[in-house]
Amino acid sequence: AQSVTQPDIHITVSEGASLELRCNYSYGATPYLFWYVQSPGQGLQLLLKYFSGDTLVQGIKGFEAEFKRSQSSFNLRKPSVHWSDAAEYFCAVGGANAGKSTFGDGTTLTVKP
Amino acid sequence: GAGVSQTPSNKVTEKGKYVELRCDPISGHTALYWYRQSLGQGPEFLIYFQGTGAADDSGLPNDRFFAVRPEGSVSTLKIQRTERGDSAVYLCASSQLAYPYNEQFFGPGTRLTVL
Repeated sequence: AQSVTQPDIHITVSEGASLELRCNYSYGATPYLFWYVQSPGQGLQLLLKYFSGDTLVQGIKGFEAEFKRSQSSFNLRKPSVHWSDAAEYFCAVGGANAGKSTFGDGTTLTVKP
Repeated sequence: GAGVSQTPSNKVTEKGKYVELRCDPISGHTALYWYRQSLGQGPEFLIYFQGTGAADDSGLPNDRFFAVRPEGSVSTLKIQRTERGDSAVYLCASSQLAYPYNEQFFGPGTRLTVL
């Protein structure tokens, strides 16, 4: 069975500081990994995805994530956080079975001025 | 262009009633997905359509839940004999072709409250 763990329920960072959100997954085959952002009143938006190849993937809004197979992790990073990044972030894992993605329970990011 | 739309945005019903939730995908998207998001949790997969047929309905929790997409566009999620535990935000997403290779675009959701 596939699963995703986001160990941090809530993270607070100061504006301009760096950010890392953790994601650990369990999947029996080659995983497809995703990060989504959900702002209040907004739908989920895809930040980035990993299928294969370079383990460091770049996404929108200055985010990047690194796939580490040995650690079953796919952590999201941003070098300098902006106040508008405050939102909830979800990591998800899927596979060749199209559509059947499993999401983590999310990490809520608060940005201090 | 228009994104994925869902109606109603909010639905309050009483325990035991029947509800229908509607999803209008992005025009031309062949794949459509339903998820359920309970408070404090991530989206939970319910069902996936490719065209008119349900390609995977393994996430539907029980036979009170049913979804259709008769013309390969609009989809309706139907819940019979609603229970308080059905209260959640129901999300719909669509993609141009089969995911995961193609990005899923999510709608804003329908918040269902069962009293």
